[in-house]
This record gives sequence, structure tokens and C-alpha cells, in this order.
Amino acid sequence: GENVEQHPSTLSVQEGDSAVIKCTYSDSASNYFPWYKQELGKRPQLIIDIRSNVGEKKDQRIAVTLNKTAKHFSLHITETQPEDSAVYFCAASEGKLIFGQGTELSVKP
Amino acid sequence: GAVVSQHPSWVICKSGTSVKIECRSLDFQATTMFWYRQFPKQSLMLMATSNEGSKATYEQGVEKDKFLINHASLTLSTLTVTSAHPEDSSFYICSARGGRARGYTFGSGTRLTVV
Repeated sequence: GENVEQHPSTLSVQEGDSAVIKCTYSDSASNYFPWYKQELGKRPQLIIDIRSNVGEKKDQRIAVTLNKTAKHFSLHITETQPEDSAVYFCAASEGKLIFGQGTELSVKP
Repeated sequence: GAVVSQHPSWVICKSGTSVKIECRSLDFQATTMFWYRQFPKQSLMLMATSNEGSKATYEQGVEKDKFLINHASLTLSTLTVTSAHPEDSSFYICSARGGRARGYTFGSGTRLTVV
């Protein structure tokens, strides 16, 4: 089955800096790669997603890149703000949605 | 947008009792429902996948006789934790796919505490 590895587990940046979170997946059949932001005790919120026929997607300060050959995908957040502080999860799907381990992002003012 | 309503949002039960968690898709037909469990400071771990009208498919290591899943209609799926024990205390969350819903729509989660 699918296995998703996510790094780093914690990330601390200064406000205004960029943050990058990386994931790898194992199943070449996976074709959908969403990123979620989760606050404590809440449901995951979709922040951006990418499908396997696209290499990059951007939405304002957030971008995702996908390298199908290497089975890597990354989340890039630019101009970070304190309200970006949360736990972020990557996931991969070929039907079932499998999550990475999560990254706790802390943006210091 | 697509909405999944999950109830209860929290429940406390005594060890040995059973607890039922419901997820309803309010504005779309959920042909597939996924159930996850999340322990504190950990990721969402997929427990099982259910398709409407079919038996659920459980992930390796998940006891199907303990975690009973019913997906009898296109708008309702239930997870029953039978003979709950303190180690079953966790955050349980459902996710639905189907119809006009784009991607995966998550319920709001249920915090289960077994005492």
C-alpha cells in the first residue's frame, strides 16, 4: 500500500521568511496530492492540491510542486505570517487518502 | 460546498461499553467513506474504507470486530467502537468522496474518551 514520508516534523521560521515542507510517496499509482492545515481538535483544512498531470500549482502565497519521477512533492509558503502557525499534512491518493506524519510550523513574529 | 456532518463531537464512555459515531453527507452522495483515527500529536491513520452497500475494507492491524462500520446509504456511515477500552480514546474523523464533492470532505471529528 501507499506510504507517505514527510519532513521536517517541526519547522520554525521568522515572520516574512519562506517555509518548505517535503513529502515522498511510494505508490506510483497515486494521482492526487493534497496539503492540509490542521488546528488542534479540528478537521484538516485543504489549502492546496495537485494532480499527477501537473508539475506545479500556486495560490497566492502557497505553492506545491510535484516530481512524479522521483515521487516527491513539496509545499512552499512565502511571506509567512504568525497565523500560518499550525500543523501541516501532506497526503497522497490512488483512491484511499494516506497522510504523511505532519509538520508543526511555528512562525515567530 | 460539500458538507459532512459528524456526531457526536465528543463523547465520554465507560470501559466495556459501545459508542456509535455518525457521519452524514448533507448535500452530496457519499459513495465512499473513509474512517481515520488520530492520537495526540500524530497523523491521521486510515482505519477502513467503506463503499455504500458493501462491507468495509479494513487496514492492516485494525480489528474489524471491534470497529464496526456501516455504510447502508449514500448519505450515512457509522462507526461503532465496541467494548471500548481506554486505549481506544482518540480523535475519530470521517472523510467522504462522491457525487459533486471535489476531493475529500472531512467531518468535524469526534473526541472519544474511555474511562
